[in-house]
Amino acid sequence: AQSVTQLGSHVSVSEGALVLLRCNYSSSVPPYLFWYVQYPNQGLQLLLKYTSAATLVKGINGFEAEFKKSETSFHLTKPSAHMSDAAEYFCAVSPQGAQKLVFGQGTRLTINP
Amino acid sequence: GAVVSQHPSRVICKSGTSVKIECRSLDFQATTMFWYRQFPKQSLMLMATSNEGSKATYEQGVEKDKFLINHASLTLSTLTVTSAHPEDSSFYICSATLARPGNPTDTQYFGPGTRLTVL
Repeated sequence: AQSVTQLGSHVSVSEGALVLLRCNYSSSVPPYLFWYVQYPNQGLQLLLKYTSAATLVKGINGFEAEFKKSETSFHLTKPSAHMSDAAEYFCAVSPQGAQKLVFGQGTRLTINP
Repeated sequence: GAVVSQHPSRVICKSGTSVKIECRSLDFQATTMFWYRQFPKQSLMLMATSNEGSKATYEQGVEKDKFLINHASLTLSTLTVTSAHPEDSSFYICSATLARPGNPTDTQYFGPGTRLTVL
């Protein structure tokens, strides 16, 4: 079975600082990987997705993630944090050819002024 | 982009009553819809997968007689929580996808969620 582990349930950074949210997956074959953002009392919005094309994936709002097969990782980064980035971030995995998403535990990102 | 709506956004009901939640794809036809529940400060857990015109596929541990799912059209799926109890209180989120056989990379588009409180 596929699974996702997000290291750190809560990450706090200063405005303008680098954002790094960690995600490791467990899969026997390279899966499809996703990062979603959830603002309070809202549904999820797709930030970016990896589907076995380029390993460095650029998403919306200045976020990007790099798929590293050797490390089974798909960490999310943003060079400079903005106050509006404060939200819950979920990494998710989907088996190739399937649509079911398995979500990580989520990481709450707080931005300090 | 593709928009998914849910109605109602919030519902409070008495224990023992049934509640229906609607999920609509507003500007596309969704071949598949998913229903998730999310407890406070926790991740999303898939409850069931719903394909238009066929019975929903429930995840292990989800009571299909308690959580009735109907996907009657390509733009509408409903989740009915029957005989709701306080432990059913949760945030229910649906998603929809355009995925077709042979095109597995299609994205799931999520609704804004419905917060159910059972008194």
